[in-house]
Amino acid sequence: DTEVTQTPKHLVMGMTNKKSLKCEQHMGHRAMYWYKQKAKKPPELMFVYSYEKLSINESVPSRFSPECPNSSLLNLHLHALQPEDSALYLCASSQEWAGSTDTQYFGPGTRLTVL
Amino acid sequence: DQQVKQNSPSLSVQEGRISILNCDYTNSMFDYFLWYKKYPAEGPTFLISISSIKDKNEDGRFTVFLNKSAKHLSLHIVPSQPGDSAVYFCAASARDAGGTSYGKLTFGQGTILTVHP
Repeated sequence: DTEVTQTPKHLVMGMTNKKSLKCEQHMGHRAMYWYKQKAKKPPELMFVYSYEKLSINESVPSRFSPECPNSSLLNLHLHALQPEDSALYLCASSQEWAGSTDTQYFGPGTRLTVL
Repeated sequence: DQQVKQNSPSLSVQEGRISILNCDYTNSMFDYFLWYKKYPAEGPTFLISISSIKDKNEDGRFTVFLNKSAKHLSLHIVPSQPGDSAVYFCAASARDAGGTSYGKLTFGQGTILTVHP
């Protein structure tokens, strides 16, 4: 089973709202990732968690705040977003971070629209 | 600086024929390569991967070829099916001189494959 689940599937929020995206995997993977993908572009890495610790922050604005409550869950807290933050937000997981293979398994994504 | 390039934005193929998707890279530290398929409004689905110690890897209808000297890899889909119509992303990961992975995937821009019935 290589399933990564994400909720919600769609989210519309105003620029003053606070919302959270959730991601879950039950594959026993120890690394989890957040990506942002704009239309017709490849995924852009935002954050990497390894063993529940933040390992990479790709200079993401502080209005995006990741959280890894346990090894199966990854959240992305959103606050004061801008319309240009509208995108597909993808979660992924891999067995290890920076391990012998780097195969990442992606969730279906959350389509975020900021009004 | 685009380290992974998919120079064909789109490819159109007849059902039953071979689809060949190409990917070029510039970073000689890349040593693990992956192909993902993506339908609109969905997350990428892992298809197949290859390590730099190999030149070919097969999985059913999908075969990936790696030419390290040319810094080129290709994905062959035989026979192509209408359900294969999607965007295909090539991705690569690098290791440092000590063999430790940087733990990041670098993606190409994607190729839209359309398989006509």
